[in-house]
Amino acid sequence: QQPVQSPQAVILREGEDAVINCSSSKALYSVHWYRQKHGEAPVFLMILLKGGEQKGHDKISASFNEKKQQSSLYLTASQLSYSGTYFCGTDHSGGGADGLTFGKGTHLIIQP
Amino acid sequence: DGGITQSPKYLFRKEGQNVTLSCEQNLNHDAMYWYRQDPGQGLRLIYYSQIVNDFQKGDIAEGYSVSREKKESFPLTVTSAQKNPTAFYLCASSMGDRTGELFFGEGSRLTVL
Repeated sequence: QQPVQSPQAVILREGEDAVINCSSSKALYSVHWYRQKHGEAPVFLMILLKGGEQKGHDKISASFNEKKQQSSLYLTASQLSYSGTYFCGTDHSGGGADGLTFGKGTHLIIQP
Repeated sequence: DGGITQSPKYLFRKEGQNVTLSCEQNLNHDAMYWYRQDPGQGLRLIYYSQIVNDFQKGDIAEGYSVSREKKESFPLTVTSAQKNPTAFYLCASSMGDRTGELFFGEGSRLTVL
């Protein structure tokens, strides 16, 4: 079942903060975050696993609330390069990428 | 440099024709995946393969076929049975572990005329 991302779109000024949310109706094993710039391939940002393990880029932070079946991605002091579409992918069984279901994406526009 | 190469980048096809999209990786990854991306829909899994000569259907496999004869190659054929094939197709690979970090190719945009 496809996770729900919110907001669908957000416009920020450079330097402002953003939070992107991802929620699922089923228990989660892990949540994966990717960013895609227009016409390009998605790029890995972070993986958060049940039990607290995380793997990702140092400049990106995220949270994973297992009880609420939610994850949030925090973009602080945004830069122009942060613009793009952010996708969360949810895994319910521990199958890694095999079982990933992606949300519809959150469009982030950073203005100077 | 290691990575995933997809070709062609753009492809036009007449209705009723099959077309094959190429995906090659030199990352020595075990697992490979094909996703379809439509505007506003996110990424949807078509097929994936964990090892050579074995593959599984994803969420939207109807009208598509794949093969995995070599570890580094995972071509996707869009058959004439696919009712709405115009889309952006992304190939990805991963080490196949439980963390499942995906490495994507640049994509192939297929337009059916």
